[in-house]
Amino acid sequence: AQSVTQLDSQVPVFEEAPVELRCNYSSSVSVYLFWYVQYPNQGLQLLLKYLSGSTLVKSINGFEAEFNKSQTSFHLRKPSVHISDTAEYFCAVTTGESYIPTFGRGTSLIVHP
Amino acid sequence: GAVVSQHPSRVICKSGTSVKIECRSLDFQATTMFWYRQFPKQSLMLMATSNEGSKATYEQGVEKDKFLINHASLTLSTLTVTSAHPEDSSFYICSARDREAYGYTFGSGTRLTVV
Repeated sequence: AQSVTQLDSQVPVFEEAPVELRCNYSSSVSVYLFWYVQYPNQGLQLLLKYLSGSTLVKSINGFEAEFNKSQTSFHLRKPSVHISDTAEYFCAVTTGESYIPTFGRGTSLIVHP
Repeated sequence: GAVVSQHPSRVICKSGTSVKIECRSLDFQATTMFWYRQFPKQSLMLMATSNEGSKATYEQGVEKDKFLINHASLTLSTLTVTSAHPEDSSFYICSARDREAYGYTFGSGTRLTVV
């Protein structure tokens, strides 16, 4: 069975500062990794995903994440955050054996002006 | 991209009544849909997995008779909360598996308040 750990429940940061949201996973088989963002009272929106190929994946709004197999991590980064990035971020993992995604507990990104 | 429409977005009902939540995949066929429940400031709790044309698979601890799931077509799944009670108040989210894109598209969620 797979599992996901998001160590930081809350990450406060000032506008235009860089940010990293950490995600570690546990699985005995190959994984597919996802980052989702959730704004208040809304569903989840896919930010980016790693299925195969290049370990660095990027979203259209400046976020990127790198799959690190040796460290079993898929940390999300952005070099300069905006107020509008304030939201809840969820890391998720599936495997070829189980297509049911397992979610981390979420990290609340709070961007201060 | 793939879109999942979830309705209603918000519903208030009286204790003892039933509420139906719909989840539709608009531009792809979703052979599998997931229903989640989310408590404030918490992650998503998978309630059940529904496959088109077959019975839903419920997670441990989820009452099948209270949370009725129907996946009658490749584009529609419904969750009915029967005899709702205040403790059923929560945010319910559906998700559809898009096999072509290998991804999961989420509905916008339903805020259920039972009074």
